[in-house]
Amino acid sequence: DVVMTQSPLSLPVTLGQPASISCRSSQSLVYSDGNTYLNWFQQRPGQSPRRLIYKVSNRDSGVPDRFSGSGSGTDFTLKISRVEAEDVGVYYCMQSTHWPLTFGGGTKVEIK
Amino acid sequence: EVQLVESGGGLVQPGGSLRLSCAASGFTLSSYEMSWVRQAPGKGLEYISTVSGSDGRASYTGSVRGRFTISRDISKNTLYLQMNNVGAEDTAVYYCVRKVPGSFDYWGQGALVTVSS
Repeated sequence: DVVMTQSPLSLPVTLGQPASISCRSSQSLVYSDGNTYLNWFQQRPGQSPRRLIYKVSNRDSGVPDRFSGSGSGTDFTLKISRVEAEDVGVYYCMQSTHWPLTFGGGTKVEIK
Repeated sequence: EVQLVESGGGLVQPGGSLRLSCAASGFTLSSYEMSWVRQAPGKGLEYISTVSGSDGRASYTGSVRGRFTISRDISKNTLYLQMNNVGAEDTAVYYCVRKVPGSFDYWGQGALVTVSS
């Protein structure tokens, strides 16, 4: 199985400041069709996960533009340009290039 | 509006069985693959199974293969997860998820399954 490694595990951030989460995969996530199926999900406290980003950098409808995804191959990043209180929660990366689909262990974003 | 509503969670004894349901609305199951993802208490997300929308073909991860069965009833637009021979390691919130190429786009609210004697 492809192992997804996220860092840091915990990310205390000051409101209005940027935040960055890293996600590394044990194999390249480039699929045979040329796409890279790397997703980011946000799970707020007590809620179900919600997709933020798909195919590395495509933001879902309704997701604020302060969220951005980047990366290639095995190395990916989710950035929040200016953290707001509603961004508190756990963020997961997930690869769907290889079966079985696998998730990173999660990064908990909290306000300092 | 797409909605996924799970039901059927609860307390089950080790070795017992339980069936989860997921009522879908706003789209038809026959047009999409559907999956189950679970989350043990305080832990991360674990993908466990997918069923094809067109022909009902199923796939499972090793942790549940041979014990769990995913299925769907197109006429009821409902997804199921039959869980047999459960153990403590199956205690989790189970999410019904709509699968699109390369991703999961909609998640249900989850159903808690607790395995305990």
